[in-house]
Amino acid sequence: GEDVEQSLFLSVREGDSSVINCTYTDSSSTYLYWYKQEPGAGLQLLTYIFSNMDMKQDQRLTVLLNKKDKHLSLRIADTQTGDSAIYFCAESPFLRGGGADGLTFGKGTHLIIQP
Amino acid sequence: DAGVTQSPTHLIKTRGQHVTLRCSPISGHKSVSWYQQVLGQGPQFIFQYYEKEERGRGNFPDRFSARQFPNYSSELNVNALLLGDSALYLCASSVDADTQYFGPGTRLTVL
Repeated sequence: GEDVEQSLFLSVREGDSSVINCTYTDSSSTYLYWYKQEPGAGLQLLTYIFSNMDMKQDQRLTVLLNKKDKHLSLRIADTQTGDSAIYFCAESPFLRGGGADGLTFGKGTHLIIQP
Repeated sequence: DAGVTQSPTHLIKTRGQHVTLRCSPISGHKSVSWYQQVLGQGPQFIFQYYEKEERGRGNFPDRFSARQFPNYSSELNVNALLLGDSALYLCASSVDADTQYFGPGTRLTVL
């Protein structure tokens, strides 16, 4: 079955870059997403990448996709205290009935910012 | 523009009771999906509706049901509540069932 794996915790110093990694198993994944969840809140879509892309940059965020190794990473440049949250990697399988299988999420990576 | 809205924000029920959770999608979005997020886990897919039809269902028991109305809002119903149903229930809307935008969730506590 489909599976998405992430490290549970990442600790970085304020101002440094954070790199959050994710691996997935479904080779038919078409869309790969990064969501942010702050305490007691829902999920905020940060960015997404199509499987035919290797990289996508959006301001402080850079997503890298290694499709051969089924590895996805999210780099946050100049990490700030407001970046402290749980980051979820999610994948959507190749469209079957219009994406009716929903998103498959990892367990999330807690990003901890040290002053 | 308003994002996805969900009601209520918090809910406390006892075992065996029934609960109804509500979701209003982003204007123009015709698809609504429901997810369950147990503490410490990632969200798990429950249902997806598009144009009022169920298009997908995750691995959840028949106690869970949902429907979508002509205005594209949706309800999630859970019967015979169990302690394990305690979770954050998230609704997501999308135009095309791919890029999904999530609401703030409903926190359900079953005692």
